[in-house]
Amino acid sequence: QLQLQESGPGLVTSSETLSLTCTVSGGSLSRSGDYWVWIRQPPEKGLEWIGSIYFDGNTHFNPSFESRAAISADTSKNQFSLNLNSVTVADTAIYYCAARSLYYAPYWGRGTLVTVSS
Amino acid sequence: DIVMTQSPLSLPVTPGEPASISCRSSQSLLFTNGYHYLDWYLQKPGQSPQLLIYLGSNRASGVPDRFSGSGSGTDFTLKISRVEAGDVGIYYCMQALHNPLTFGGGTKLEIK
Repeated sequence: QLQLQESGPGLVTSSETLSLTCTVSGGSLSRSGDYWVWIRQPPEKGLEWIGSIYFDGNTHFNPSFESRAAISADTSKNQFSLNLNSVTVADTAIYYCAARSLYYAPYWGRGTLVTVSS
Repeated sequence: DIVMTQSPLSLPVTPGEPASISCRSSQSLLFTNGYHYLDWYLQKPGQSPQLLIYLGSNRASGVPDRFSGSGSGTDFTLKISRVEAGDVGIYYCMQALHNPLTFGGGTKLEIK
């Protein structure tokens, strides 16, 4: 069964870069048709898609983040990462990584809280 | 962007009674392969969202058969046949057909 685990600093200073990694076990980042997703949830608010990286390395981003976000994958480590630059306190949120495919159930990590301090 | 509209916003339910949540998308979620790319999640207090239904009507592993998903095109429904106390939380629908992926605003289920 697929498992995902987010990791990274829990505290980031305003204007710096937020960097998170998602480690995938029980599956391969390279499986055809799959894509890997970052989602976030600010405190007491709803869910927001940040962007995705596909099995072939292509990326797509929410226009709200497109100028600040980058997603990359390291297939040798079975990890994919999110970099969000120029963060503000509004970027304080629980960040989730998730796996999606055309025909199988999606899987989410448990999420990691990132607090941006001013 | 596809707008996902959930109703009701709040859903008080007596234990043992059924409950129904509606999710409407601003565009069809039907892909050429015949599947609807619509998920349902439950976020219990203090927890991460847990998958209930994917591809519109497929129950996720370990989800009780009290939960069912139905619908097509732009109109989808999550039904709980008999609500239990442990079902409280916020229910979200999510479309995964079009970028940007988008979520409904959530329906808060509470026990009367």
